[in-house]
Amino acid sequence: EPEVTQTPSHQVTQMGQEVILRCVPISNHLYFYWYRQILGQKVEFLVSFYNNEISEKSEIFDDQFSVERPDGSNFTLKIRSTKLEDSAMYFCASGTRGYNEQFFGPGTRLTVL
Amino acid sequence: SQQGEEDPQALSIQEGENATMNCSYKTSINNLQWYRQNSGRGLVHLILIRSNEREKHSGRLRVTLDTSKKSSSLLITASRAADTASYFCATDRGAQKLVFGQGTRLTINP
Repeated sequence: EPEVTQTPSHQVTQMGQEVILRCVPISNHLYFYWYRQILGQKVEFLVSFYNNEISEKSEIFDDQFSVERPDGSNFTLKIRSTKLEDSAMYFCASGTRGYNEQFFGPGTRLTVL
Repeated sequence: SQQGEEDPQALSIQEGENATMNCSYKTSINNLQWYRQNSGRGLVHLILIRSNEREKHSGRLRVTLDTSKKSSSLLITASRAADTASYFCATDRGAQKLVFGQGTRLTINP
């Protein structure tokens, strides 16, 4: 069964460094998303992406964050200058038109020291 | 806000028993979805119910939706140890963003 994949599974970085989290969505999906989950808290929406542009973003998704679909398969989340509070599990999801079923990847655990 | 809130926050039952988790939300929705998350892992999509549906089944899962009460329930029948996980409801209003609740931590005791 097709699934969303994410790399790396765990990323450790120093505060102020740039990180890029990578995702390969399910191949026939058109909608792409990033969410995050701080340890012990609920899953929070960051951004949605369709037709090569951001369709919606949350207030968490400030100008330190960017997303890109550099080729036909990858979908990336970049954090330009990481802060301690960016430490979280980051989930990529993808979906089709229709009823907004979203399928999530296994997540990247980001630890900012 | 639109957020879903699950109750109970934690549920512990014996293997073989049924588990019921509830979700309430505040605004009108288009769809409500349930996800499972094993500790420290990704979210597994379980089932989606549309706002014009009242009940849906998938294997041992039964989901109900009462839009007049703005609530949904997830029933897992004949629970197994492998069902131990956190369960989240997530709602949307037609826009793509999903809004998640805090989740119910379910423990199945052998």
